[in-house]
Amino acid sequence: SQQGEEDPQALSIQEGENATMNCSYKTSINNLQWYRQNSGRGLVHLILIRSNEREKHSGRLRVTLDTSKKSSSLLITASRAADTASYFCATDSSGGSNYKLTFGKGTLLTVNP
Amino acid sequence: DGGITQSPKYLFRKEGQNVTLSCEQNLNHDAMYWYRQDPGQGLRLIYYSQIVNDFQKGDIAEGYSVSREKKESFPLTVTSAQKNPTAFYLCASSAKQGNYGYTFGSGTRLTVV
Repeated sequence: SQQGEEDPQALSIQEGENATMNCSYKTSINNLQWYRQNSGRGLVHLILIRSNEREKHSGRLRVTLDTSKKSSSLLITASRAADTASYFCATDSSGGSNYKLTFGKGTLLTVNP
Repeated sequence: DGGITQSPKYLFRKEGQNVTLSCEQNLNHDAMYWYRQDPGQGLRLIYYSQIVNDFQKGDIAEGYSVSREKKESFPLTVTSAQKNPTAFYLCASSAKQGNYGYTFGSGTRLTVV
């Protein structure tokens, strides 16, 4: 079952521009996480935002969470060609006792030099 | 360096064969997971284990089996009952309780020949 759904499915921008990806989910969550996947590789954890947080920053990444709208956004500022990857949101709806994440289908970001 | 290792990177299976994918971690994580990823798709949970000698089915467990005899190891067997096994398989681990991200291996690409 797919909990999170990213939007857009694909995004192409020029180096230096900002990239915004959105994630919507259906049930209440403990936290929401964003991951990056380079082609043919494993996923890398980027950032985790808890359900009682509204915004979080990590370097060039900014994540927001709106639990009333059941949505999150990931902003990558001043993008670089190396940011080209697929980005996935994942939600933890486990209640803390049976921790497992449900992933969306991802947004493919292409940053053109 | 602490991490999670999947082997082999590529695996070819003949029709009717069982194959086993290896996943080993030295992060001292309690929980381990197996996901399947099909082209252009998100990750779907096959099996997960929160503790040694215990594991639970995920969303798509049919045709797969696992064991968790050691904390460090969580091998996945793709049996002949799995009708469409060609996919990219990802193993991950995490601290047992939530609010921690997953650490992923680099994946095994399984192809039926």
